[in-house]
Amino acid sequence: GAGVSQSPSNKVTEKGKDVELRCDPISGHTALYWYRQSLGQGLEFLIYFQGNSAPDKSGLPSDRFSAERTGGSVSTLTIQRTQQEDSAVYLCASSPLSGGQETQYFGPGTRLLVL
Amino acid sequence: AQTVTQSQPEMSVQEAETVTLSCTYDTSENNYYLFWYKQPPSRQMILVIRQEAYKQQNATENRFSVNFQKAAKSFSLKISDSQLGDTAMYFCASTGGGADGLTFGKGTHLIIQP
Repeated sequence: GAGVSQSPSNKVTEKGKDVELRCDPISGHTALYWYRQSLGQGLEFLIYFQGNSAPDKSGLPSDRFSAERTGGSVSTLTIQRTQQEDSAVYLCASSPLSGGQETQYFGPGTRLLVL
Repeated sequence: AQTVTQSQPEMSVQEAETVTLSCTYDTSENNYYLFWYKQPPSRQMILVIRQEAYKQQNATENRFSVNFQKAAKSFSLKISDSQLGDTAMYFCASTGGGADGLTFGKGTHLIIQP
């Protein structure tokens, strides 16, 4: 079946602009995760959704970052007033259920470059 | 909080050789899970193998196996009969029993030479 998809694959934006990154999880997966991968920080966990609810938003780097999930499916990660340090690959993953025992399946990521 | 440490930034071996990638971790959880993920240049993170901490038996998936030493908090990955397609970044990761995200190590860049 189809895997996790993310769009766009690459995004170049100017400092100060807002960007929206999209994630389509595997059909039927109730848990969805966002990660950021950068040269300096490695792979960082940002936020997860169980259904449409995000119980803990403390992993988001700043209040410029927000995420939502609608209909228990598609999720968007929005970065407002982008800064150069936001440049990174943003990875999305989904799993059938939430919980550490579940394997997370990753999408190909969105590479964001802020000029 | 969990931490994962991979001390080998890069490794290079000849095709068909066996290679072991190191990983140590620290956690306060009693119930946790450990994973090795592979990330080729395409960026797609692919699960290689997983280990439940409560299981003593080391996980095996074809040419991939782990050496899980719970007391030492060590979780190394052994790749037997390495192939050119094994060239990739390899990340060790852990998660607790709850619904938190994965904690990743910095990764090891594995190069398989022909």
